[in-house]
Amino acid sequence: AQSVTQPDIHITVSEGASLELRCNYSYGATPYLFWYVQSPGQGLQLLLKYFSGDTLVQGIKGFEAEFKRSQSSFNLRKPSVHWSDAAEYFCAAFDRGSTLGRLYFGRGTQLTVWP
Amino acid sequence: DAGITQSPRHKVTETGTPVTLRCHQTENHRYMYWYRQDPGHGLRLIHYSYGVKDTDKGEVSDGYSVSRSKTEDFLLTLESATSSQTSVYFCATERGLAGGTQETQYFGPGTRLLVL
Repeated sequence: AQSVTQPDIHITVSEGASLELRCNYSYGATPYLFWYVQSPGQGLQLLLKYFSGDTLVQGIKGFEAEFKRSQSSFNLRKPSVHWSDAAEYFCAAFDRGSTLGRLYFGRGTQLTVWP
Repeated sequence: DAGITQSPRHKVTETGTPVTLRCHQTENHRYMYWYRQDPGHGLRLIHYSYGVKDTDKGEVSDGYSVSRSKTEDFLLTLESATSSQTSVYFCATERGLAGGTQETQYFGPGTRLLVL
């Protein structure tokens, strides 16, 4: 079955430290891949997406993600975390083989930032 | 963002009552989706629409129905609300490219529903 896995339920980092959030997908072909962020009480905001081409994609708020086909991964990174980055992060994948849009979401990673 | 609004933003209701949630978009996006978000489950697809009057079930559709009579509106109805339907409900839209290729989904602010 198609799935998206975020192995870390909760991550805590200090402000200014680097960050990497993990995401793995299971599909036969390369899916479209997304990272969304959700602040408390808010909807989901798109951070970045990968459809094809350069495997390192840049997003908003200083985030980037790297697609690695050999590892079926799409990890999100930020070199220096700010307190305002505290939120929940969701990885999602869309199977290119399906005829109608359907995103598969991971269960999310909650990020806490210590001052 | 796709100019998505959801109403109501918060609702408390009793078990057994029908509830309708509304999603409205102003971008003329073809595809619309309803998700529910529960702790530890991420977002799960309830129903989606690929055009006016064209809808289909997602992975957690039992107890829910939808309607789309206009491009801009997508209604989610809980036919007889149960406590297990207490959740946060998100609407999403997607432009839909020529040839049916999908791209980015944009999300509304959510509706918090409590079923007592």
